Order: sequence, then structure tokens, then C-alpha cells
Amino acid sequence: QSALAQPASVSGSPGQSITLSCTGTSSDIGGHDYVSWYQQHPGKAPKLMIYDVSNRPSGVSNRFSGSKSGNTASLTISGLQAEDEADYYCSSYRSSSTPCVFGTGTKVTVL
Amino acid sequence: QVQLVQSGAEVKRPGASVKVSCKASGYTFTNYDINWVRQATGQGLEWMGWMNPHSGDTGYAQEFQGRVTMTRDTSKSTAYMELSSLRSEDTAVYYCATLTIPRSVGMDVWGQGTTVSVAS
Repeated sequence: QSALAQPASVSGSPGQSITLSCTGTSSDIGGHDYVSWYQQHPGKAPKLMIYDVSNRPSGVSNRFSGSKSGNTASLTISGLQAEDEADYYCSSYRSSSTPCVFGTGTKVTVL
Repeated sequence: QVQLVQSGAEVKRPGASVKVSCKASGYTFTNYDINWVRQATGQGLEWMGWMNPHSGDTGYAQEFQGRVTMTRDTSKSTAYMELSSLRSEDTAVYYCATLTIPRSVGMDVWGQGTTVSVAS
């Protein structure tokens, strides 16, 4: 299963906004509105931050927002905070035989 | 609260099999699919497959076809993932995860992870 492409790292200063990208194909991101984003701190299980492209689960800060254009999905973190430093993974539905494919992951550093 | 609790760490020899359990609590076990995801040290997340606890239906990623088996015991609200013919590259943390948000796609509840080490 070929992974979705994410930049290896993104950094920003506290208070700034950053945007993480996730590029797929018309078979996954471009063909379905089922993109999710996960935050993972070292040694911890992933945490769902966004589902179905732009929906936030209960309890997730509204500083996190998701969108999609064509074959690329994006996660924007506004008002960057130290606690946002983590790895972020996107995922998308691809097909009934491959309902989930993950991105390569982006390490977010708060300067 | 809704939670998934996994079995403890395992150390296996190459060629052996490992069976990881995932016990659900706080919700009706048969209501939501269980996914299995693994992560090698310093690497990304890799989806392995899913199981419907109500029907027992399963779907596996192509990379694991023939080596992975996902089952459940509804009387124990527990899902299992067995991986056979282990090799060193299977050394990873294995997670079970589910989604409790209706008519959506994703995984909002995760187990704590089970470390499987494969070494001779």
C-alpha cells in the first residue's frame, strides 16, 4: 500500500499558524471525503484530531482545522503552542479492500 | 469511558507466531469495527486490517495477506490479532483502534499499544 506523501518536518514559533500537507491520488484523497489526521507524542498512541476532512472530535481544540483540495489534504494549526510539538499523520480511505492508508508523517517543531 | 486495553509485550523468535489481544470496555463491543495498526521504531503508522466484531468479517492489507488473522471473542469483548512467520522486520508496536463516531471514517479510540520484538 503506497503511503500518502507528507513533508518530513514543519516548524513554527509560538502563536504562529502552520499548515501540514498530505498528498495522495484521485483513488484516495481526491476520490473520497474521508481524510483523518492524527497527533502522536513520543511513546504515546495516536490521537484523532480531524475526521472526514474537516470535522473535529469532541475535546479537540478549535485551533486545529482540516481541508482538502483535489488530491491534497491540509491540516492547519493556529496559535501554535509548545504542546503541539509532535508527529502528525494523515490517513485516507482508498477502497473497500484498502479502507485505510496512512501518510508518511510530519514532525512539527515549535521553535 | 470507552477504552481498549491490550495485552503485554512479547518477545518471539523468527518463524514463530504472536497473538495480541485487545479488550474493549465502556461500549457495546459488537457495534464498531476494530482496526489493527503497527509502528516500527522511528517509523510511520501502517494499517494492517480490520474486523467487524458482530459478523467476524475481516479485511487485511495486501502486505499481510496469508500471515495475519483477526478474530474475536464476543463473550469477552476481546479482539485478537495473530501474526505468523515472524521476521525481524515485524518488530514494532501493535495498536488496536476503533471509531465510535457514527457514519464516519477514522479511529478515535486506541489501545495503549503492544510491543512485539522478534529476535534470535
